[in-house]
Amino acid sequence: DAKTTQPNSMESNEEEPVHLPCNHSTISGTDYIHWYRQLPSQGPEYVIHGLTSNVNNRMASLAIAEDRKSSTLILHRATLRDAAVYYCILRGEYGNKLVFGAGTILRVKS
Amino acid sequence: DTEVTQTPKHLVMGMTNKKSLKCEQHMGHRAMYWYKQKAKKPPELMFVYSYEKLSINESVPSRFSPECPNSSLLNLHLHALQPEDSALYLCASSQYGLAGDNEQFFGPGTRLTVL
Repeated sequence: DAKTTQPNSMESNEEEPVHLPCNHSTISGTDYIHWYRQLPSQGPEYVIHGLTSNVNNRMASLAIAEDRKSSTLILHRATLRDAAVYYCILRGEYGNKLVFGAGTILRVKS
Repeated sequence: DTEVTQTPKHLVMGMTNKKSLKCEQHMGHRAMYWYKQKAKKPPELMFVYSYEKLSINESVPSRFSPECPNSSLLNLHLHALQPEDSALYLCASSQYGLAGDNEQFFGPGTRLTVL
């Protein structure tokens, strides 16, 4: 499975946008970019995924670089409830596992 | 119903006990997963069932025995566990088997302590 690199931790102020980066320089053409988050004492929660184009949903936006070697998860207005570990994961077209890396701990200050 | 439920929430067992963890989903998903998560570490995949057949076993010790009685239910049978097996055990499901663009829905986990 191709590897991703994320910062260990980031801090944000409440009500401000947050940009969480992920590097995946060895991504293959059929790898999907997935983001999950895990709030304290809960199971992981799906956030968003994409292949080549930028994606938006009710939780976040995913911006994918043109060469696909990096991506950014954007939370448009961080709230205290967004404090969590955010995992960027690559997943092949079929039959590949979801392999979690260390993730980024996001702290949100009020 | 967009939930994955897991029972029990907490389990304490001795090394000679036999116990089972249960996971249920009613979303019509055809793949179900068991993960193990130690404190302050990311989840690690243990088993995957796709269309009720065991598809992936990540070289998990035989003291962990998965079972998928039907498409909605996934069990993890535990026997002769060690204290280092204490962890959060997470169940997940996804709609179309192991397709790469499927999202996984996770349950809240069972916190297992082995004495």
